[in-house]
Amino acid sequence: DTAVSQTPKYLVTQMGNDKSIKCEQNLGHDTMYWYKQDSKKFLKIMFSYNNKELIINETVPNRFSPKSPDKAHLNLHINSLELGDSAVYFCASSQTQILTGELFFGEGSRLTVL
Amino acid sequence: GNSVTQMEGPVTLSEEAFLTINCTYTATGYPSLFWYVQYPGEGLQLLLKATKADDKGSNKGFEATYRKETTSFHLEKGSVQVSDSAVYFCALITNTGNQFYFGTGTSLTVIP
Repeated sequence: DTAVSQTPKYLVTQMGNDKSIKCEQNLGHDTMYWYKQDSKKFLKIMFSYNNKELIINETVPNRFSPKSPDKAHLNLHINSLELGDSAVYFCASSQTQILTGELFFGEGSRLTVL
Repeated sequence: GNSVTQMEGPVTLSEEAFLTINCTYTATGYPSLFWYVQYPGEGLQLLLKATKADDKGSNKGFEATYRKETTSFHLEKGSVQVSDSAVYFCALITNTGNQFYFGTGTSLTVIP
């Protein structure tokens, strides 16, 4: 049973389109995250939600909008996709927002914008 | 500010060679330090951690010691295997603890 699951795993789309990536965790954790990993494997935090409330919002274009319908789900919607949005997007969760040591990551969603 | 610096990769080693991946950090207060590993096509997973100075984290034959005097947390393994081929990330959490700071990752390839 996958702890943190993301869909879709692969996404290929044209510039200007809108797309969503969904994430669900079955660990009972309070806090969820979106990270972006670029082609050089650099990992950058985008957003963090604690119990459906936004707590971290790094410098990310307004075209990216996270939504957390409940604490087990954190979805990422991207409007007007650009070439530079091509990356692997990782969802992660932790027990609480005060981190004690472990983030649990999903397998990633590879987005390719043509 | 808080940051983590890792040695540049890629690193290529023969099976049974000794591995060191260097990691140094800058942080306010007393951070906790981590190594995460990302196998091909997978998400990151925790490899080991150390929460205070002089602590040694260890797992799967890997070790790292929290050195406050040199602000380092170098990853070592005495004899690598092909299955250790992955990208390794050094990371820290500050003692306010609401965000991880990751290094840029070091790709390791072990050849038979």
